Parts: sequence; C-alpha cells; structure tokens
Amino acid sequence: DAGVTQSPTHLIKTRGQQVTLRCSPISGHKSVSWYQQVLGQGPQFIFQYYEKEERGRGNFPDRFSARQFPNYSSELNVNALLLGDSALYLCASSRLGTSFGEQYFGPGTRLTVT
Amino acid sequence: AQTVTQSQPEMSVQEAETVTLSCTYDTSESDYYLFWYKQPPSRQMILVIRQEAYKQQNATENRFSVNFQKAAKSFSLKISDSQLGDAAMYFCAYRSAVTKAAGNKLTFGGGTRVLVKP
Repeated sequence: DAGVTQSPTHLIKTRGQQVTLRCSPISGHKSVSWYQQVLGQGPQFIFQYYEKEERGRGNFPDRFSARQFPNYSSELNVNALLLGDSALYLCASSRLGTSFGEQYFGPGTRLTVT
Repeated sequence: AQTVTQSQPEMSVQEAETVTLSCTYDTSESDYYLFWYKQPPSRQMILVIRQEAYKQQNATENRFSVNFQKAAKSFSLKISDSQLGDAAMYFCAYRSAVTKAAGNKLTFGGGTRVLVKP
C-alpha cells in the first residue's frame, strides 16, 4: 500500500499570498493531522480531522484552515502568508481508535515565504 | 498543557557503540502514550518505538529500547550497536490517552541529532 502522500514537495510564495497544501492518507485511514516544523525545531500540531470533522486545533492563528474530503484526503490553507510561515508542513494519517493512535507521516511540503 | 523537553541538541556515537537520548515531559495526566520518532535527512518521520504509560515494562524494538520512569517523567531511548543508517534527528513525543478530548495530537520535543561515526 502507498504511504501518506503530500503535494507539492516544495513551494515558494510571497508575503501576503495564499497557499493550499494537499495530503492523501494511507488507504483505510480516516484521520489526518497537520503539523508545522520550523527548521531546527520539533513539529507543532496545527489540526486534526476525522470523518470530515475537526477533532483538534493547535495554537495557530485563524489564517490557518483545513478541511477533509469524503475520500479522507485533506487540504491545509494558509492566508496572508508571513515570513514566519516558512516551514516544513507535515501531514500524518491514522486509524483513530487504535490503542496507540499511531500516526504515519508523509514526506512534507517545504514552504518558503519571501 | 503538556510539554516535552529534549536537552541534548546533538549526540555523537561510534559505529557499533551505544547511545542514549534523554527526554523529559510534563503532564498532569496519568494515562498517556510516549513515542520516539526518527527523521532522517530525507525528512519522512518514522516511528521507532512506543510506550503506554500504564505498562511498567520498558518497550524494546530490536536495537532500540526505552527506559520509562513514570514518577520522574523521563523517557530515554537507547540505541545499541549503532549503524550508519541510525544517523537522523530523533524526536520524543507525547500523546494524551483521553482520545475524544485530545484527539490524536502529538506534542513533540525539540529533537536530538544523532551522528554516527564509522
């Protein structure tokens, strides 16, 4: 089975622009989570979606939004980009309900804001 | 809110030797899960090992083992017989067991870079 896939791999945007990142979970996984990883730091939780509903939200401004589609894929949108939004954005999928809630991560999208 | 701290920014180990990575966490919860993830230079995060807080027995996965000290809120990772492929960033992570409230949220530490010398 294919792992978690993310697109695009790299992205360069200008301050003030908007960006959409995409994630396809592992087949059979109904939960998708998004993390932001600034260079040199650990990932920070942004959102979790399960069955198209938001299940968790991290400490990020309203410029960040996400949604999950009927096929369980997900999009992360960031509006009014700031230089500080430059980071690796990771998507992780899981089968909610397992005892460990193990999450499988995608390769990430590297966003650079200039 | 829970926090996870990794106090060693970088650790170096000779091939075939053993290295131990430290992790401490702060929580008021009694039931939770702890994880170690590996992030090689190619970026994809891979689960190395996991531990349930209610289990006293330390988890082991091949050359990887943990020392879980619940009272001390400590969760260290030992890599035995280090190999060149072990070179990566290692992240300690916490997840609440209160599934409905906390969902699947992982709280990560800042990471430890492991260098393996041939």
